[in-house]
Parts: sequence; structure tokens; C-alpha cells
Amino acid sequence: KAGVTQTPRYLIKTRGQQVTLSCSPISGHRSVSWYQQTPGQGLQFLFEYFSETQRNKGNFPGRFSGRQFSNSRSEMNVSTLELGDSALYLCASSLRPTLAGDEQYFGPGTRLTVT
Amino acid sequence: ELKVEQNPLFLSMQEGKNYTIYCNYSTTSDRLYWYRQDPGKSLESLFVLLSNGAVKQEGRLMASLDTKARLSTLHITAAVHDLSATYFCAVGGRDDKIIFGKGTRLHILP
Repeated sequence: KAGVTQTPRYLIKTRGQQVTLSCSPISGHRSVSWYQQTPGQGLQFLFEYFSETQRNKGNFPGRFSGRQFSNSRSEMNVSTLELGDSALYLCASSLRPTLAGDEQYFGPGTRLTVT
Repeated sequence: ELKVEQNPLFLSMQEGKNYTIYCNYSTTSDRLYWYRQDPGKSLESLFVLLSNGAVKQEGRLMASLDTKARLSTLHITAAVHDLSATYFCAVGGRDDKIIFGKGTRLHILP
């Protein structure tokens, strides 16, 4: 069974631009969660989607948004990029919503650099 | 607000020794996760603990959960160099959000 895939793997953008990251979950998994990892803040929850609905969102500004498609693939978008958005963005998939306590499988991540 | 504290944050130990990483959290939860991250890599799921007294073991790693004390431990038995990595605990909050600890960077010396 194929794992979680994320595209692109690396991205360089300039301040003010916007970016879209993609995540394809493991086949059959309907929950996708996004996380941001930085050296300073560590791993922070961004949002979770299940069956095309956002279940919850972390403490991030409205510039961070996401969506999930009917095939469970998910995208996250960051508009008006700031230097502080440079991070490793990880997505994770699970069969059911995280509330169910299923194991989460992480993708390889997208390394975003904002210059 | 759920807070998760791991200690120690850095640990250098000799091969063959035993050690324990602690994960404390501030509010009631019934979901506790342990992950491993190698440098430059993503997270690998190690354990999911869902009930008080839960204990899971995989090779030289054993995790346990005490929901009353709001404490989980990751015990390493007879450490080997391959276990060098950063270990994260994460706790599921009542609002469904998963909050991570800062991670424990483990360096095992040959």
C-alpha cells in the first residue's frame, strides 16, 4: 500500500506570494491533518479535514487555509507569505478523525523557504 | 489550554544502557502518541496509547500511559546506536487538536 505523498517536496517563494501544497493520503484514509514544523515553535497543528469538512483549526492566521476533495486528497494554501512561514509542512492521514485515536501516518513533508 | 512537556530535551547515553523519556500533559486526555523523527526526515509513528494503564512494546522501546497522573513514559532498554533520533510525544485534546511536545533529542554513543 502506497504511503502518504506530498508535493512538492521543496519550494522557494518570496514574501507576499502565495503557495499551495498538496497531500495524498493512504488509500482508504479519509482524515488528513496538517502540521507546521519549525526550529523555534516545534510541531504545531494547522488543521484537520475529514470527509471534505474541516474539523478544527490550530492557532494560525487566516492566511492559512485548506480544503479536502472527494478523493480525500487535501491541499493547504498560504497567502501573502511571510519570512516566518518558512518551515517543514507535514501532512498525516488516518482512517478516521483523530478523535478516534487511530494511528497517523505522516508524509515526507514539503520544505518551504520564504525569501 | 492543553500543554505538553517532555523531558529531558536532550539525552546522550551509552549503548547498552536503559533510560526513560517523560511526557507530562496539563489536561485530561485519552489519546497519547509517540513518534520518532530522524534528521531531515518525517515522523514515524511508534505507539498510540488510548487508555489508562496502556502499555505497548516494540523491540527495545516500551511506552506506557497513566491518565490519572497525566504522564506517559517511553522506556529504552539496552540502547543501540540505531535508536538515535528525536522522539516526540503528542496528546489529543478535547477539541480534537493534537499538541506535540518539544521533542527529546536522543544520541546514543557506541
